[in-house]
This record gives sequence, structure tokens and C-alpha cells, in this order.
Amino acid sequence: DTGVSQDPRHKITKRGQNVTFRCDPISEHNRLYWYRQTLGQGPEFLTYFQNEAQLEKSRLLSDRFSAERPKGSFSTLEIQRTEQGDSAMYLCASSAVAGGNEQFFGPGTRLTVL
Amino acid sequence: GEDVEQSLFLSVREGDSSVINCTYTDSSSTYLYWYKQEPGAGLQLLTYIFSNMDMKQDQRLTVLLNKKDKHLSLRIADTQTGDSAIYFCAETPPGYSSASKIIFGSGTRLSIRP
Repeated sequence: DTGVSQDPRHKITKRGQNVTFRCDPISEHNRLYWYRQTLGQGPEFLTYFQNEAQLEKSRLLSDRFSAERPKGSFSTLEIQRTEQGDSAMYLCASSAVAGGNEQFFGPGTRLTVL
Repeated sequence: GEDVEQSLFLSVREGDSSVINCTYTDSSSTYLYWYKQEPGAGLQLLTYIFSNMDMKQDQRLTVLLNKKDKHLSLRIADTQTGDSAIYFCAETPPGYSSASKIIFGSGTRLSIRP
């Protein structure tokens, strides 16, 4: 297994456009997380799934943001009507519930909103 | 509340010990972590400590937890150039299992001078 993968690695978009990011977790990891990291800051928790169920959403996740994990494997994060303030690195992580103290992070998708 | 604080920068001489400090506000936090982020790479879990422990050692890394003062530190012995990175202190807030929501600090950038 090659670890958590994210696609695309970079995305440049114009304000007002919609964007969608994909995360493929480590096989058989049943938990999947999304974080956002802006320059000079640590990652901020956005949401997480156990299998296909979305268990928690941060209040940072406005109604323009939606995340899905329809089959309990890969996940997508969509941002509608992007704003310049959405520019950040979007990180995905996965973990196994059993004995899982470690979240394994992907390389991230860097979003730039012009 | 959920808040993790750390100093932004630390510079040490190669071969010396590095000590990175962190304070957290919720004394009921269950797990505390140290993550490492290198340029262009994903976040990597270095070590974690459960709140009923006061010390954990793993090769060159020593974690000290002072629960009374809500203070966590990471000591890296014999610091090498490969240790240059941003180090994030993080916690699992009370009420969450270990493999779930993590709150990160802003990170300490460690630089090594010859």
C-alpha cells in the first residue's frame, strides 16, 4: 500500500467556481479525516467519517463545503462558490479504529483562489 | 476550550539537544501528539503520549508531560540536519477516542545551524 493519496496536488481556480478534491485512504482504514492548513498555521479539523458515515463537522465547514464518502472508501471534498479565503492546503488522513492512535496524512491538495 | 500553543521558531546547533515546548488548555485531553512536517511532505506522527503517563522515550525522542501545568515537551537528542522541520503539538480533546478529532498547534519551526 502506498499510503494516503490526494488528487489533484494543486488547483488554481477563479473566485466563484466550484472545486472538488479526492482522497484515497490506506486500504481497510475505516476512518477518514479532512483538515485545512493555511500558511504558518497548524492543520484545522474539518470533518471525519467512519466508513460512509460522517460523524462530525467543524463549524469551520460552512454550507459551501460538503464532503462525502459514499462507499466507505475514497472521499470527496467539494467547495462551492470559492472565495479567496478558501485558499489553503487541504489535507486528508486515514486511520484504523482498532488500536488506531495514528492518523496517516496524505500530501495535500493546495488550492489557490484568484 | 480547545487551544494548543507553541513558540514559532527554535534554532539549535547540530549535535545539541532540541527542546520544543507546548501548552494546552484542556487538562482532560486524553492523547497528546508530536507531528513532524517537512517541506513538500505530509505530516508524520513522531510519537504520542497518553494523559496518564508523564514520560515516554523512543530512541532520540523524549516526551515529557506535566498534566498539572498542561505542558508538553519534545526533546530531540543529538539534533541532526535531517531534523529540520516544523513540529506540531496536538491533542485529542476530551470526549473523543484516540483515532478521531485532533487539535493542532501552530507549529515550531526547528532550524539546525552547523
